[in-house]
Amino acid sequence: KAGVTQTPRYLIKTRGQQVTLSCSPISGHRSVSWYQQTPGQGLQFLFEYFSETQRNKGNFPGRFSGRQFSNSRSEMNVSTLELGDSALYLCASSPGQVSYNEQFFGPGTRLTVL
Amino acid sequence: AQSVTQLGSHVSVSEGALVLLRCNYSSSVPPYLFWYVQYPNQGLQLLLKYTSAATLVKGINGFEAEFKKSETSFHLTKPSAHMSDAAEYFCAVSGGNFNKFYFGSGTKLNVKP
Repeated sequence: KAGVTQTPRYLIKTRGQQVTLSCSPISGHRSVSWYQQTPGQGLQFLFEYFSETQRNKGNFPGRFSGRQFSNSRSEMNVSTLELGDSALYLCASSPGQVSYNEQFFGPGTRLTVL
Repeated sequence: AQSVTQLGSHVSVSEGALVLLRCNYSSSVPPYLFWYVQYPNQGLQLLLKYTSAATLVKGINGFEAEFKKSETSFHLTKPSAHMSDAAEYFCAVSGGNFNKFYFGSGTKLNVKP
């Protein structure tokens, strides 16, 4: 099976712009989670979607939003970018039905905000 | 509520020496525990997981971890470090709230020749 793919791999934006990141999960996986990784804050959970519904949410401002499509692909959107949004954004997929399912991670999208 | 604490943000060992990375968890429900490894500019890769079967869990690349409920610990070990083990390691816990993983702050392992 193909792994989790994320596009684009690298992005450079300026403050105030918005950005959309995409994630394609492993075939058959219905859960997609998003994480922000920075040197200072580590791995922080953004949100999780299961069968097109947001099931879990982290403590991020409303500028961060996401959605999941019927084919389980997911997008994450960040509006009004701030310098502090520069980070590696990781997507992870899982079958999603039980808590002991491990998450499979994509390579990430490196976002730089200037 | 669940959380994970990884003791030591940086650990340095010599090649061939024992690797011990510490993880303590807090969970109000029976936990599921995971260790992931991240190489530079890559995503996270699962090393091993504990799902309430055997308390000693063997993973890939010679790593293993032991679940100790009395100590609320899930430390990661490898008998003999290899240069290729240099990476960042994350401990995570889930349980209760479907698919909400709580990650530790990570431990960077340096392997000296």
